[in-house]
Amino acid sequence: GAVVSQHPSRVICKSGTSVKIECRSLDFQATTMFWYRQFPKQSLMLMATSNEGSKATYEQGVEKDKFLINHASLTLSTLTVTSAHPEDSSFYICSARQNMNTEAFFGQGTRLTVV
Amino acid sequence: DQQVKQNSPSLSVQEGRISILNCDYTNSMFDYFLWYKKYPAEGPTFLISISSIKDKNEDGRFTVFLNKSAKHLSLHIVPSQPGDSAVYFCAASDPRNTPLVFGKGTRLSVIA
Repeated sequence: GAVVSQHPSRVICKSGTSVKIECRSLDFQATTMFWYRQFPKQSLMLMATSNEGSKATYEQGVEKDKFLINHASLTLSTLTVTSAHPEDSSFYICSARQNMNTEAFFGQGTRLTVV
Repeated sequence: DQQVKQNSPSLSVQEGRISILNCDYTNSMFDYFLWYKKYPAEGPTFLISISSIKDKNEDGRFTVFLNKSAKHLSLHIVPSQPGDSAVYFCAASDPRNTPLVFGKGTRLSVIA
C-alpha cells in the first residue's frame, strides 16, 4: 500500500522554542493532507486540512498562528508548533489520501514533549 | 455532536474466539467506512473498508458488516490472535472528500 513518512518520530524541546514536523507521501501525490492530534486514551482530533499550494483550513479551536502548516508540494506538508508550551505535548499524526473514497494512509506519528 | 460512535471503550476476548467491534454513525451522508488499527505511539494502519453499496466485505480474518438502515457497522475478527490487541478506530467519510471522521476507538485485548 501507499506509504506516508513522518519525521521526526520523537522530539523533546524546551518551552518557547519551535518544532517542525514533516509529512511526506512517498509513492503517491497527495493534494490534501490532514494533521491530527491525539491525547492519551482519546480519539484522533483533526487539527487542520492542508491543501497543496494554498492556506490550510483549521478546525475550530486550533490556533493557526501557533500551528503553522505549509503544504509546499504534492508530497510534502509540514506542521510547525511555534513557541511550544508543555500543554502542546502530544502525539501528532499526519495522513494523506489519494482520492475520495479511498483509505487514508497515516504517518508513523510524532511524540512531542515540551519541557 | 459525535457523528461516529464507538460505545465500547474496551473489549477482552480469548485467543481463537471471535472479536466483534461495533460502530454507529449519525450522518446519513456517509458513504464510505473504514477500520483502522493503532498501536501505542504509532500511526493508525488501515485494516478494511466498505462502501455503502455493500453490506459485507471480507479480507482474511477480518470482515466488516454494514447495516445502513440502522446506521451501524461492525468489524469481526476471527480467530482472534494476541497480536490483534490494539485500539481499533472506526472512520467514515462522505462524497465531498472531507476529512475522515473517527470514533473514539475500542481497545481490544486478546488473551492467550
